[in-house]
Amino acid sequence: QSVLTQPPSVSAAPGQKVTITCSGFTSNVGSDFISWYQQFPGTSPKLLIYDGNKRPSGIPGRFSGSMSGAAATLTIAGVQTGDEADYYCGVWDYGLSLYVFGSGARVTVL
Amino acid sequence: QVQLMQSGPEMKKPGASVKVSCETSGYPFTSAGITWVRQDPGQGLEWVGWISGYSGNTNYGQKFQGRVSLTIDTPTSTAYMELWGLRPDDTATYYCARRIRAVDGRRGIYYYYMDVWGTGTTVIVS
Repeated sequence: QSVLTQPPSVSAAPGQKVTITCSGFTSNVGSDFISWYQQFPGTSPKLLIYDGNKRPSGIPGRFSGSMSGAAATLTIAGVQTGDEADYYCGVWDYGLSLYVFGSGARVTVL
Repeated sequence: QVQLMQSGPEMKKPGASVKVSCETSGYPFTSAGITWVRQDPGQGLEWVGWISGYSGNTNYGQKFQGRVSLTIDTPTSTAYMELWGLRPDDTATYYCARRIRAVDGRRGIYYYYMDVWGTGTTVIVS
């Protein structure tokens, strides 16, 4: 099954802005409804963003999602050392009736 | 609160089968589906399949078709994933997650996401 494309790694100093892109959507993918998941090493993934830009209760406001052109973006405004983790995008493919994840991006806070 | 507790680690021989359980609590089991996701060591997330908590209807990823079965036991609010014909490259951590179906009111389109994830079950095939 197809995998959405993300940069393998992104790094920034504490307090800077981090953007992670997710691209490679087919015409059958509901890219407007993309979700983002955060995973710390050795732990289960956690939902960060759903429906493109909505945050579940408890997710800090520094995490936001957007869609521009052919790519979705997760932005961490004012990244903190505790944000060092892997981030995955994911979305339902209506044509193939399956869920597609991005390749994952590791965020490093310098 | 919503919790998904998975069964413990498994060590299997090649050719064997494994059945992983996902016991849910904190919500009406029939109100949502359960998605299963696999993560190979050091790798990304891979969708295995999904089962409806209401009807038991399933969708499987092409890679796993014919080798995996997802089932539910509604009285115990538990979902199961059985994988057979195990190979060493099935060594992975398997996660269950609650799948939410929501509707975009403006366009009348359903969309899906996984809002709560299980504890993960490591399966080693050797």
